Amino acid sequence: TQLLEQSPQFLSIQEGENLTVYCNSSSVFSSLQWYRQEPGEGPVLLVTVVTGGEVKKLKRLTFQFGDARKDSSLHITAAQTGDTGLYLCAGASSNTGKLIFGQGTTLQVKP
Amino acid sequence: GAVVSQHPSRVICKSGTSVKIECRSLDFQATTMFWYRQFPKKSLMLMATSNEGSKATYEQGVEKDKFLINHASLTLSTLTVTSAHPEDSSFYICSARDLGGGQEDTQYFGPGTRLTVL
Repeated sequence: TQLLEQSPQFLSIQEGENLTVYCNSSSVFSSLQWYRQEPGEGPVLLVTVVTGGEVKKLKRLTFQFGDARKDSSLHITAAQTGDTGLYLCAGASSNTGKLIFGQGTTLQVKP
Repeated sequence: GAVVSQHPSRVICKSGTSVKIECRSLDFQATTMFWYRQFPKKSLMLMATSNEGSKATYEQGVEKDKFLINHASLTLSTLTVTSAHPEDSSFYICSARDLGGGQEDTQYFGPGTRLTVL
């Protein structure tokens, strides 16, 4: 069974601080996706990483995919209150297209 | 990104009734859609894979006779919660798989449906 361990599960920081969220697995994924979800809404795709070692940047967000395609990280620089939300990583199985979700990270950025 | 809609966004029903939730991919065709259930402040739990033109594949522990899935076209999948009970109350989310013709195999999520069973 493929598992994706996401940490930390809860994070409360002050505006302006940096943070990193990690997703780790013993399994190899064909791709890994990061989503952000607001309460009462569906997850919104932030990025898809496909190639081992890949780094993608989305404004203040930096996403890395491990060389072996087993782990990934999301780094937010100078967090803002608008970054508050639930962040989800999900690894994709190339055969079925199923997504294996991490436990999620609830981020609270305080003013 | 691609757009997936869900209808209704919230529904309240009485115990014993059935509720149908629709999931549509608006700007792409999806041979595969997925149905998830989410509990408060938790991650998404995959319930089933919906395949256009064939039977759905259910995850272990999900009752196929209770959660009926139909994927009648390349843009529409439906989930029917039959004989609903209060413990079925939850946030149900669908996603549609966009193969995109390229290397990226991405799922786009609907906005979710809040089901409350009284």
